[in-house]
Amino acid sequence: GQQLNQSPQSMFIQEGEDVSMNCTSSSIFNTWLWYKQDPGEGPVLLIALYKAGELTSNGRLTAQFGITRKDSFLNISASIPSDVGIYFCAGRTPATDSWGKLQFGAGTQVVVTP
Amino acid sequence: DAGITQSPRHKVTETGTPVTLRCHQTENHRYMYWYRQDPGHGLRLIHYSYGVKDTDKGEVSDGYSVSRSKTEDFLLTLESATSSQTSVYFCATSRDSGADTQYFGPGTRLTVL
Repeated sequence: GQQLNQSPQSMFIQEGEDVSMNCTSSSIFNTWLWYKQDPGEGPVLLIALYKAGELTSNGRLTAQFGITRKDSFLNISASIPSDVGIYFCAGRTPATDSWGKLQFGAGTQVVVTP
Repeated sequence: DAGITQSPRHKVTETGTPVTLRCHQTENHRYMYWYRQDPGHGLRLIHYSYGVKDTDKGEVSDGYSVSRSKTEDFLLTLESATSSQTSVYFCATSRDSGADTQYFGPGTRLTVL
């Protein structure tokens, strides 16, 4: 079953504010991914992380692969209205019986108000 | 973007009827996946395929079957739909390995009455 805990479940923020969300796992992961889903569409990959401690940016987005390999963080700086959507973390364990299978968090709903 | 289309995009059906959802990709990706998305659960893997005629179960495979007779098409079948299968279904693909990035289709919203 699902092993990822993603928080917060939802965030209501004002335009210009920074956003932080995180995921924790009961298992060690060798890959962390962050996706964004707009209404009525499929998830789109934002950032991929492959090494413990890795810090990667994509524009105003920054994500980190936790040192323990059991957590990851996503930050959005200076939010704008188009940042609204659901953000999902996903992870992949090194176990051979789960090779190729991603586990997803339940998502963080971000609402940006002007 | 892996050129993934799903059909139909919306479907309403009745309990007990068979339903087939189609995923089509144009990028010649080897791996294809079917997920369902439900509030509070994120995305859960139903079945996946690692090549033509090669498929395996995910974490929520009961009540679903899949087939892949061509690289570009991956079909998900609900043999006898139940109300618990009301969900949004997403297809995804990855290039050569299960470790590659997964790209998602636009989804199919299925309602079982």
